[in-house]
Amino acid sequence: EPEVTQTPSHQVTQMGQEVILRCVPISNHLYFYWYRQILGQKVEFLVSFYNNEISEKSEIFDDQFSVERPDGSNFTLKIRSTKLEDSAMYFCASSEFFGAFFGQGTRLTVV
Amino acid sequence: AQTVTQSQPEMSVQEAETVTLSCTYDTSESDYYLFWYKQPPSRQMILVIRQEAYKQQNATENRFSVNFQKAAKSFSLKISDSQLGDAAMYFCAYRSPRLPTGANSKLTFGKGITLSVRP
Repeated sequence: EPEVTQTPSHQVTQMGQEVILRCVPISNHLYFYWYRQILGQKVEFLVSFYNNEISEKSEIFDDQFSVERPDGSNFTLKIRSTKLEDSAMYFCASSEFFGAFFGQGTRLTVV
Repeated sequence: AQTVTQSQPEMSVQEAETVTLSCTYDTSESDYYLFWYKQPPSRQMILVIRQEAYKQQNATENRFSVNFQKAAKSFSLKISDSQLGDAAMYFCAYRSPRLPTGANSKLTFGKGITLSVRP
């Protein structure tokens, strides 16, 4: 069964460093998303991507964040100058028409 | 803005019994989509069931079914014949119709409910 794949599963980075979280969405899906979940809290929307551009973003998704679909298969989230409060589980998701299918997540720890 | 409320933080059910998880939402839209996601300890988000608001018939997926009450803005999940593997956090989520660009809009999640299953 097709699935969304995220790498790495766990990333530890020092405060102020840049990180790139990678995702391979399901191949025939058209819509791509990043969500995050701070431990013990609800899942929050960051950004959605469709037709090679951002279609929607939350107030969390400020200039510190950027997304790219560099080669037609990968979908990346870049976080510049990481802060302690960026520590969270980051989920990539893709969808065709209805529900979104999520990857297994990347646990980001900023120290 | 749409909001999703899951007022019960925790529930417990005996194995093989039936449990119902509650969810309410607030929206002014007439057309939308509702979902239940399961998050086991591995923390992966797994789509359990989905419901289109324009459909009057409640969705079912094997042991999982929903009670969708559009007028009351209620969307509860019923798990029948509960199994140990059902123990997880369950999130209710709402999605608006498509954006003017044609893109799917985002999912808005509730805070989740932790379900434990007693053997």
